[in-house]
Amino acid sequence: GESVGLHLPTLSVQEGDNSIINCAYSNSASDYFIWYKQESGKGPQFIIDIRSNMDKRQGQRVTVLLNKTVKHLSLQIAATQPGDSAVYFCAENRGQGNLIFGKGTKLSVKP
Amino acid sequence: DTGVSQDPRHKITKRGQNVTFRCDPISEHNRLYWYRQTLGQGPEFLTYFQNEAQLEKSRLLSDRFSAERPKGSFSTLEIQRTEQGDSAMYLCASSGAGTPMGATDTQYFGPGTRLTVL
Repeated sequence: GESVGLHLPTLSVQEGDNSIINCAYSNSASDYFIWYKQESGKGPQFIIDIRSNMDKRQGQRVTVLLNKTVKHLSLQIAATQPGDSAVYFCAENRGQGNLIFGKGTKLSVKP
Repeated sequence: DTGVSQDPRHKITKRGQNVTFRCDPISEHNRLYWYRQTLGQGPEFLTYFQNEAQLEKSRLLSDRFSAERPKGSFSTLEIQRTEQGDSAMYLCASSGAGTPMGATDTQYFGPGTRLTVL
């Protein structure tokens, strides 16, 4: 069925290295994508978003890339810090208001 | 704090009891959403409101679940006759400041209410 999913359930990186978290989506009609960070016991925290008319968007230490040809989304975190340890979700909006979330990737940062 | 707030943060109840959760959205937001999240999964959409109108309900929202937003500000989610399978984190989000792109406005989440049904 149609879903938003992630390639890896866990990712471990060394502090200071760059992290790349991937996401695949299947609905070509989706026009808005968001990355959320969720720490244990907390609600999802907005990181960055991108609309389907863009390929790349940069924020502070984060970059989101969108490849509509292969329906792939990625989140790059530069100079990963211990505070970046969390579960990261990609979500898609199909224009109906509700978000469809993937299962998440748990990022662990080793000091 | 001007973010989304939810109350209570934790609720433990016995099977068969009714529970009610409250969500206060960001004040100028006209859209309010409810999601459910179980351990190890991403949030799943339940329902959303634009102002006081409930515009969409997921199939996950059984007839034991009801949500209201009577004045277009705070919302309540009630679960009647709770079951152990209702144990989850219930998340509220809000979006929209009256922009034409309301359907794709960023959704900001509250801290959630963790429900445990014994």
